[in-house]
Amino acid sequence: GQQLNQSPQSMFIQEGEDVSMNCTSSSIFNTWLWYKQDPGEGPVLLIALYKAGELTSNGRLTAQFGITRKDSFLNISASIPSDVGIYFCAGFAGGTSYGKLTFGQGTILTVHP
Amino acid sequence: EAGVTQSPTHLIKTRGQQATLRCSPISGHTSVYWYQQALGLGLQFLLWYDEGEERNRGNFPPRFSGRQFPNYSSELNVNALELEDSALYLCASSLVLPAANEQFFGPGTRLTVL
Repeated sequence: GQQLNQSPQSMFIQEGEDVSMNCTSSSIFNTWLWYKQDPGEGPVLLIALYKAGELTSNGRLTAQFGITRKDSFLNISASIPSDVGIYFCAGFAGGTSYGKLTFGQGTILTVHP
Repeated sequence: EAGVTQSPTHLIKTRGQQATLRCSPISGHTSVYWYQQALGLGLQFLLWYDEGEERNRGNFPPRFSGRQFPNYSSELNVNALELEDSALYLCASSLVLPAANEQFFGPGTRLTVL
């Protein structure tokens, strides 16, 4: 079945540093989404990408939909303590998987002040 | 605008019992999705309901079932609970096409099976 490989699994950075994480898949996805989950809460949608090659920003966050449609990355610039949390990529393949988002395993981000 | 709401926040059951979890979507959203997030694992797709019908189902046994009501709220039922059913159950909602891919999540129900 479809799987998303998300890396790195965890990151420990200093406040002010930039962060980069990515997701890869062996199959094609039509949509890539990036979510952030804080402890005890549900994931919050950060960015949605719909076209191969698309580059989208949301404040300090920038995400790209890979040209091959099999990968995506998320960058966070000038990290701040409230960026702490778990970041998930999610892909939508369509077809018989309609309605189903496939999630990566998550990247745990820790920001030291 | 209110987000997706779920109840209860926490639920404790024993093996073999049944659990019922509830979800109210964002106003105007007609699709409701259920995901399971077990400890240390990512989110796994369970079910998708739209306009009262089950539209798609993940790789879970039939004892996981649900329904969607005319007001678009939804219920997830888990029968014959097993220890490994302990997880955070997340509900999400979305608009219909073409924005259906943007799913917005509720805070989840933490189910503990003893």
